[in-house]
Amino acid sequence: DGGITQSPKYLFRKEGQNVTLSCEQNLNHDAMYWYRQDPGQGLRLIYYSQIVNDFQKGDIAEGYSVSREKKESFPLTVTSAQKNPTAFYLCASSVRGGRIGNTIYFGEGSWLTVV
Amino acid sequence: GIQVEQSPPDLILQEGANSTLRCNFSDSVNNLQWFHQNPWGQLINLFYIPSGTKQNGRLSATTVATERYSLLYISSSQTTDSGVYFCAVTGYSTLTFGKGTMLLVSP
Repeated sequence: DGGITQSPKYLFRKEGQNVTLSCEQNLNHDAMYWYRQDPGQGLRLIYYSQIVNDFQKGDIAEGYSVSREKKESFPLTVTSAQKNPTAFYLCASSVRGGRIGNTIYFGEGSWLTVV
Repeated sequence: GIQVEQSPPDLILQEGANSTLRCNFSDSVNNLQWFHQNPWGQLINLFYIPSGTKQNGRLSATTVATERYSLLYISSSQTTDSGVYFCAVTGYSTLTFGKGTMLLVSP
């Protein structure tokens, strides 16, 4: 089936450790995104990539890093520099980047808890 | 950046009731989408609607781009409609989300 797969679904991390969240899509989409959602809040953009080997910071990129070596994959690393990493992380993709005619689709999300 | 405001923040309905959710945005947009987030966190596309009116079953949406608002109508609500409804718009290059309307439909 076509879609966006995020893993793991649940992850616990000790303070001071880096953790990487996986996002894979088989929709042949050019653009991919990472969002963070805190309880009772909307989604905030962390990073996005409109094409392979290129990515841009979103609104809350500090403490996060990404790579886009393959069209299908856009992993997110939550580093120890992220002050409040406990959150729900959502990966998304769209046919292309930009503003026009760009329906966005989401994975099922990853819950990260720092203990 | 572009601002997105949704109202009401919370809504409780009896099954079978109708409701209207509103999304106001601060600037002209080329992309507006409505999403439903279910209790397990999954975000589902409802409508891509930068202007005009669309209908899908019991749901319909209208965007009046010149007046910078969009409305989502839910008719004959069911318990499975519960969750959070988000409006998201594209200003410069990426989607900006509102804080959502949390809907609870009771039997």
